[in-house]
Amino acid sequence: ETGVTQTPRHLVMGMTNKKSLKCEQHLGHNAMYWYKQSAKKPLELMFVYNFKEQTENNSVPSRFSPECPNSSHLFLHLHTLQPEDSALYLCASSQDPGTGELFFGEGSRLTVL
Amino acid sequence: QKEVEQNSGPLSVPEGAIASLNCTYSDRGSQSFFWYRQYSGKSPELIMSIYSNGDKEDGRFTAQLNKASQYVSLLIRDSQPSDSATYLCAVILYSSASKIIFGSGTRLSIRP
Repeated sequence: ETGVTQTPRHLVMGMTNKKSLKCEQHLGHNAMYWYKQSAKKPLELMFVYNFKEQTENNSVPSRFSPECPNSSHLFLHLHTLQPEDSALYLCASSQDPGTGELFFGEGSRLTVL
Repeated sequence: QKEVEQNSGPLSVPEGAIASLNCTYSDRGSQSFFWYRQYSGKSPELIMSIYSNGDKEDGRFTAQLNKASQYVSLLIRDSQPSDSATYLCAVILYSSASKIIFGSGTRLSIRP
């Protein structure tokens, strides 16, 4: 138990569906992240939030829409995804954006049909 | 050139031996470096951080940093089967303190 909880753990969706991934951290951290992990590829940074404000968007397609209502919650809204978006989506938090000491959730395994 | 490069492995090491994992990075101004361990089917967990040139020891783990050569390594002494995992090198880019970039990882297998 890392103090970062992600739901759902598994999600299957069609290309026309809209779904959301949720992340909650109980560590009192100020920064939250979304990473994408695909087979045979490095962890890809998607978004960074600091005190609810987005500080990084790593050229992510607009079909991925993040939302950070407070420093404990982070969402990733998904719509009109492609099969190549199938991956493990990992949420992480850190005390501050520049620390590098990330605490990861267990991930949400997404399959796009 | 990739921002963080690692040999994907697998690296096979006999139990009790020293496992040596290597990482190079492209951003010469980077100052913060990390090693994460990821067991199969699990999420990454931080095992070491290093910020200054030289060695940093924590139990059986030693991280080594050479900024001039843009090189980071992780040594695992007295390797155990429980050390079998993928080891990810991560770097904070000088250009953006909030961008933590990972290498593709080295898969380590400790054989009994």
